[in-house]
Amino acid sequence: DTAVSQTPKYLVTQMGNDKSIKCEQNLGHDTMYWYKQDSKKFLKIMFSYNNKELIINETVPNRFSPKSPDKAHLNLHINSLELGDSAVYFCASSRFGTGEDTQYFGPGTRLTVL
Amino acid sequence: AQSVTQPDIHITVSEGASLELRCNYSYGATPYLFWYVQSPGQGLQLLLKYFSGDTLVQGIKGFEAEFKRSQSSFNLRKPSVHWSDAAEYFCAVGGAEYGNKLVFGAGTILRVKS
Repeated sequence: DTAVSQTPKYLVTQMGNDKSIKCEQNLGHDTMYWYKQDSKKFLKIMFSYNNKELIINETVPNRFSPKSPDKAHLNLHINSLELGDSAVYFCASSRFGTGEDTQYFGPGTRLTVL
Repeated sequence: AQSVTQPDIHITVSEGASLELRCNYSYGATPYLFWYVQSPGQGLQLLLKYFSGDTLVQGIKGFEAEFKRSQSSFNLRKPSVHWSDAAEYFCAVGGAEYGNKLVFGAGTILRVKS
């Protein structure tokens, strides 16, 4: 069974469109994350949720809106897509959300904005 | 600001040779330290982590890393590299001083030549 899954794996869309990426974890973890990996492979956290509550919100344009319907799911909605949003987006989860927690990553969603 | 530095962008080693990937961090207290590996088109997989205690930690796939407080380093080593080790390796630091989130280095791409 896949521990952290993301859909879709690839997403190609036009500038200005709105799109969503879904993430689900079956590890029973309380905390989920979204990371953005840019073209230089630099990985940076965007958001973190603990039991459906937002706990980390980095400096991310408000076109990005995470939603956590339950603690096993964390979706990422992006409005008015821009060229600079092209990246690989990784979802991750961890048990408690503390600094020593191991984070388990999904396979990533490669978003290409044309 | 807290940071993680991986000074080598690319490293090429021959199959069977030993490997050391460097990681330096800036952090006031003892950090939580991680090494992750990312194979092409895949998510990140945890290789090993250090929280406290023995400064030499063993991980999966024959990897080990040594925490050296005096040098603020957490270098990853493997005595004999296999072709399947070709991937990108990320060092990460977590802890309260980082807001309980993981901060990643820029990654080191490992190439293995036969």
